[in-house]
Amino acid sequence: GQNIDQPTEMTATEGAIVQINCTYQTSGFNGLFWYQQHAGEAPTFLSYNVLDGLEEKGRFSSFLSRSKGYSYLLLKELQMKDSASYLCAEIDSNYQLIWGAGTKLIIKP
Amino acid sequence: DSGVTQTPKHLITATGQRVTLRCSPRSGDLSVYWYQQSLDQGLQFLIQYYNGEERAKGNILERFSAQQFPDLHSELNLSSLELGDSALYFCASSVGWDPNTGELFFGEGSRLTVL
Repeated sequence: GQNIDQPTEMTATEGAIVQINCTYQTSGFNGLFWYQQHAGEAPTFLSYNVLDGLEEKGRFSSFLSRSKGYSYLLLKELQMKDSASYLCAEIDSNYQLIWGAGTKLIIKP
Repeated sequence: DSGVTQTPKHLITATGQRVTLRCSPRSGDLSVYWYQQSLDQGLQFLIQYYNGEERAKGNILERFSAQQFPDLHSELNLSSLELGDSALYFCASSVGWDPNTGELFFGEGSRLTVL
């Protein structure tokens, strides 16, 4: 079956850079989303990748390698408000979203 | 504000009871998704509707049911409630049935507590 893997938790320092990885099964891949979710709040859209390469959007960038079944979210100039969970979601061969369990990012001053 | 409206925001009820959660999608969105999120857990997909028809079903319990009405709002019915049903229930909407046509917009969620 489909499986999305991402680290459970990461810690980084304010002002630094952090990379959150996501791996998925490559068969039937149709696209990938990254969402941010603060505790107790709704997930909000960050990025969408369907072709290989890097998509940059301000302090956040997302990368995709379809051949490797791999994506990462890169957060630069970390701010305390970036403390949140980051969810990776793949669009599978049935055009359904398969969600990872999320990576909880803790930012320390 | 995502444009997706969920009611009620909070609900406390007892085991064995039945509740209905309501979702109004963003204007123009035809697809509605329901998700369950227990404390510190990931999003569990329950069901998706597109333009009034069931499009996809996830791990939705038989005690749960949903529908999408002609005006595109959706309701999730949870019956014979158990303690383990306590969770945040999110509704999300998108333009098309295929997520590639646009991202999902999430409502603020309905927090259900079963005592």
